[in-house]
Amino acid sequence: GENVEQHPSTLSVQEGDSAVIKCTYSDSASNYFPWYKQELGKGPQLIIDIRSNVGEKKDQRIAVTLNKTAKHFSLHITETQPEDSAVYFCAATMYSGGGADGLTFGKGTHLIIQP
Amino acid sequence: DAGITQSPRHKVTETGTPVTLRCHQTENHRYMYWYRQDPGHGLRLIHYSYGVKDTDKGEVSDGYSVSRSKTEDFLLTLESATSSQTSVYFCAMRRKDTQYFGPGTRLTVL
Repeated sequence: GENVEQHPSTLSVQEGDSAVIKCTYSDSASNYFPWYKQELGKGPQLIIDIRSNVGEKKDQRIAVTLNKTAKHFSLHITETQPEDSAVYFCAATMYSGGGADGLTFGKGTHLIIQP
Repeated sequence: DAGITQSPRHKVTETGTPVTLRCHQTENHRYMYWYRQDPGHGLRLIHYSYGVKDTDKGEVSDGYSVSRSKTEDFLLTLESATSSQTSVYFCAMRRKDTQYFGPGTRLTVL
């Protein structure tokens, strides 16, 4: 089955600086890669996703890049703000036509924005 | 917010007792999932459903069963709870490619 590795487990950056979180996956058939943000006591919320036919996707201060050859994808957050402090999870799955396909998650990165 | 709720939100129970967690969606989506979240493990898939009465096992299904008699409800049952099942349980529904998560149920098995 799929295995997703996520690094680092904790990341501390100064407010206004950029943050990068990296994930690798094992199954070359995986074709969907979402990123979730989880605040304390809440469920994960999707912040951005990318499909295997795209190399990069951007949404305001957040971007995701995908390297299918190397089987890794990264989350980039620019101009970090205090409200970016949370735990971030990457995930991967292979969505096939009609299949249910659960997500395989990384173990999470605790992002701390220092004022 | 996605229309997905979980009940109860917190539960404390004793080893050996049965426990049922409920997930309810208001959007009539076909796919629903149960995950558990433990420190150092991220989220792991327990069971999933692809329609009424259609369910299958995930990565960590031992000790759990599920049922889906209506599109909107997906139940997770621990037939005889053990301390290793102390965890936070999240339900999700899938809209197109995106899985939307509920607020979670914190279960403590003493």
